[in-house]
Amino acid sequence: GENVEQHPSTLSVQEGDSAVIKCTYSDSASNYFPWYKQELGKGPQLIIDIRSNVGEKKDQRIAVTLNKTAKHFSLHITETQPEDSAVYFCAASIGGSYIPTFGRGTSLIVHP
Amino acid sequence: DADVTQTPRNRITKTGKRIMLECSQTKGHDRMYWYRQDPGLGLQLIYYSFDVKDINKGEISDGYSVSRQAQAKFSLSLESAIPNQTALYFCATSDLPGTGKQETQYFGPGTRLLVL
Repeated sequence: GENVEQHPSTLSVQEGDSAVIKCTYSDSASNYFPWYKQELGKGPQLIIDIRSNVGEKKDQRIAVTLNKTAKHFSLHITETQPEDSAVYFCAASIGGSYIPTFGRGTSLIVHP
Repeated sequence: DADVTQTPRNRITKTGKRIMLECSQTKGHDRMYWYRQDPGLGLQLIYYSFDVKDINKGEISDGYSVSRQAQAKFSLSLESAIPNQTALYFCATSDLPGTGKQETQYFGPGTRLLVL
């Protein structure tokens, strides 16, 4: 089955800095890569996703990049704000199954 | 208004007890899932259901069972709870293939379970 590795497990930045979270996947058949944000006391919520036919996608301060050859994808958050503090999960799903395999999560802390 | 609700939100139980966690959704989705979250381990799939008559085991189904009572309701049971089942449990839903959003999972707020 698919295996998703996520790094780092904890990331601490100053407000205004950029943050980057990286994930690798094992199955070349995976073609959908979502990122979820989990705020304290809440369930994860989709913030951005990318499909295997696209190399990069942006949505305001967040962006995701995908390198299919290397089987890795990354989440980039620019101009971080305290409200970006949360746990972020990457995931990968194999075409047709629609069931994601999640990474172990990254706790992002943005210091004011 | 919450589209995916879970009850209870917190539960303390003793070893050997049977407990049930409930999930309801108003999103009209056919697909429902139960996940377990442990610190540092991410989200692990326990069971999933693609419709009322379809139940499938996930990667960590041992010690758990589920019931899909209706399209909108999916319950998770621990037949005989043990301390290592202490965790945060999430229910999620997703839409059908062909809708363009079939891969997106919509999570409930979670149930925090402590087994003593």
